[in-house]
Amino acid sequence: ETGVTQSPTHLIKTRGQQVTLRCSSQSGHNTVSWYQQALGQGPQFIFQYYREEENGRGNFPPRFSGLQFPNYSSELNVNALELDDSALYLCASSRTSAVYNEQFFGPGTRLTVL
Amino acid sequence: QQQVKQSPQSLIVQKGGIPIINCAYENTAFDYFPWYQQFPGKGPALLIAIRPDVSEKKEGRFTISFNKSAKQFSLHIMDSQPGDSATYFCAASKGSSNTGKLIFGQGTTLQVKP
Repeated sequence: ETGVTQSPTHLIKTRGQQVTLRCSSQSGHNTVSWYQQALGQGPQFIFQYYREEENGRGNFPPRFSGLQFPNYSSELNVNALELDDSALYLCASSRTSAVYNEQFFGPGTRLTVL
Repeated sequence: QQQVKQSPQSLIVQKGGIPIINCAYENTAFDYFPWYQQFPGKGPALLIAIRPDVSEKKEGRFTISFNKSAKQFSLHIMDSQPGDSATYFCAASKGSSNTGKLIFGQGTTLQVKP
């Protein structure tokens, strides 16, 4: 069984630029959630994708957007990067058939905005 | 508004000790409470989870105690080892919802001394 994978591992961007982060879900999982983890903090829910549509969103502005593809992989796009966007971005996959939505996380992408 | 409060922020114990990490939640609709372990540079890994219909759950050296009336739950690590040194996060969600959005605590950094 393949776990959740994310790319790239690290990324450095400058303020105002756009970034795309990628996630491949665990085998057998059809739901992907994205979280932002600032240094020294717990992860914060950005949004979730199920059946290629956004299925729930946290308190993040519209410049955070995403996609899910037919193979259940997903992208997180962030436009007009701000310094505060510097964080570890985590992708978690789950099986919606699982009663209590156990979520399994990838290793994350460390984004630094200069 | 922080909905899950975790304490302590950091904890140091000797090998063989029993560190205890506590979490309190506000939303009585939460019905799924997982604990995650995170090593530096890695994504959170699901350790153990509990639902409010039981007061205690054990998996190996990890035990969750749950007090529904107090809206509190805690993680106990029996016979702790230096390899348990990591950051631990509690979380909560409406497990029966269609998103299972996880609300995380702030994290506890545990150091187990040899």
